[in-house]
Amino acid sequence: KQEVTQIPAALSVPEGENLVLNCSFTDSAIYNLQWFRQDPGKGLTSLLLIQSSQREQTSGRLNASLDKSSGRSTLYIAASQPGDSATYLCAVKTSYDKVIFGPGTSLSVIP
Amino acid sequence: AAGVIQSPRHLIKEKRETATLKCYPIPRHDTVYWYQQGPGQDPQFLISFYEKMQSDKGSIPDRFSAQQFSDYHSELNMSSLELGDSALYFCASSLPGLNEQFFGPGTRLTVL
Repeated sequence: KQEVTQIPAALSVPEGENLVLNCSFTDSAIYNLQWFRQDPGKGLTSLLLIQSSQREQTSGRLNASLDKSSGRSTLYIAASQPGDSATYLCAVKTSYDKVIFGPGTSLSVIP
Repeated sequence: AAGVIQSPRHLIKEKRETATLKCYPIPRHDTVYWYQQGPGQDPQFLISFYEKMQSDKGSIPDRFSAQQFSDYHSELNMSSLELGDSALYFCASSLPGLNEQFFGPGTRLTVL
């Protein structure tokens, strides 16, 4: 059974710092991995999608990597800003139409 | 660009009542997913549809049912509501295959 974990559960950093969020999954047989951002009480915004055959994806200040064999993905945020404060969730696609989410990392960027 | 539309955005029901949530996917997306997110929880996959057929099933209670219609919109029907059903219900859509899921804003259901 696929399990997805995220470390740390919460993170507080001063503005301008670079930071790394971690996502681990127990079964390497995934189709893809997607990183989302969720603001309190709001919907999920897709940040990056990495297919199982890819190693990384970049979008602006965000870079996500995927190591399927070790069951890990990282989300790197460069030059963090207060507007980056949110909960970040990773989700793995385990079958054609099923996705399992991690518990999320709550990020707070202090001005 | 058009996004996933969910209605209603907020819904308040009494215990044992029924509720119907609607989801309108992004145009040309034929796969729809439903998720339930309880307070402080991560989203839990309920059910998905591809080309109007159920394609996968997660932790959806027997009291819930869903379907996808010919115009690809989907409805989640919830009966005999319980207090524990209070949650944010998300719908997502994607193109067929391994593509990105795009989420709607969610429907916040409160059961009193």
